[in-house]
Amino acid sequence: DAGVTQSPTHLIKTRGQQVTLRCSPKSGHDTVSWYQQALGQGPQFIFQYYEEEERQRGNFPDRFSGHQFPNYSSELNVNALLLGDSALYLCASSWTGEDEQYFGPGTRLTVT
Amino acid sequence: QKEVEQNSGPLSVPEGAIASLNCTYSDRGSQSFFWYRQYSGKSPELIMFIYSNGDKEDGRFTAQLNKASQYVSLLIRDSQPSDSATYLCAVSQDSSYKLIFGSGTRLLVRP
Repeated sequence: DAGVTQSPTHLIKTRGQQVTLRCSPKSGHDTVSWYQQALGQGPQFIFQYYEEEERQRGNFPDRFSGHQFPNYSSELNVNALLLGDSALYLCASSWTGEDEQYFGPGTRLTVT
Repeated sequence: QKEVEQNSGPLSVPEGAIASLNCTYSDRGSQSFFWYRQYSGKSPELIMFIYSNGDKEDGRFTAQLNKASQYVSLLIRDSQPSDSATYLCAVSQDSSYKLIFGSGTRLLVRP
């Protein structure tokens, strides 16, 4: 039973650039949530996708956007990168009928 | 006031002892409560969830929920050095899909 997968593992970008992170949910899950985790902090909710639509959004600017594909996989796009966007980006998958969310290994983004 | 509060620690306990981790939350509409374990440099791993007042046991772990006091705790019995990690408390509110996390409590289990 494959768990949540994310790619890439690490990424280094320059300020102003754009980045795309990818996530495949756990088998049987149909919902994907994205979180940002700064060092020493708990994860912060960015948004959740279900049925290929953004179902809920956290307090993140429009530079953060996403997409969900028919196979339930998802992408997180961040435009005009800032130094403060450096963080661990976590994808969590769940089944819409349950509250439990399971995290992937994360993508460590460094903006220089 | 933060929505979910945890003592940052570190909480240091000897091997074999009971570790008690605590979490308070501010929204009385919170419905579901989760404990995640996060090793350094890794992603959070779901270890317990609880939805009703009272205790829920799973192996060496017991989650306790008191909605009247807006308090949730995690007990780890027979603590092992491998339990040394940061423990994150997370809450989901009624009619919301997001998890709200505390900043985590660092647990150190001394051999």
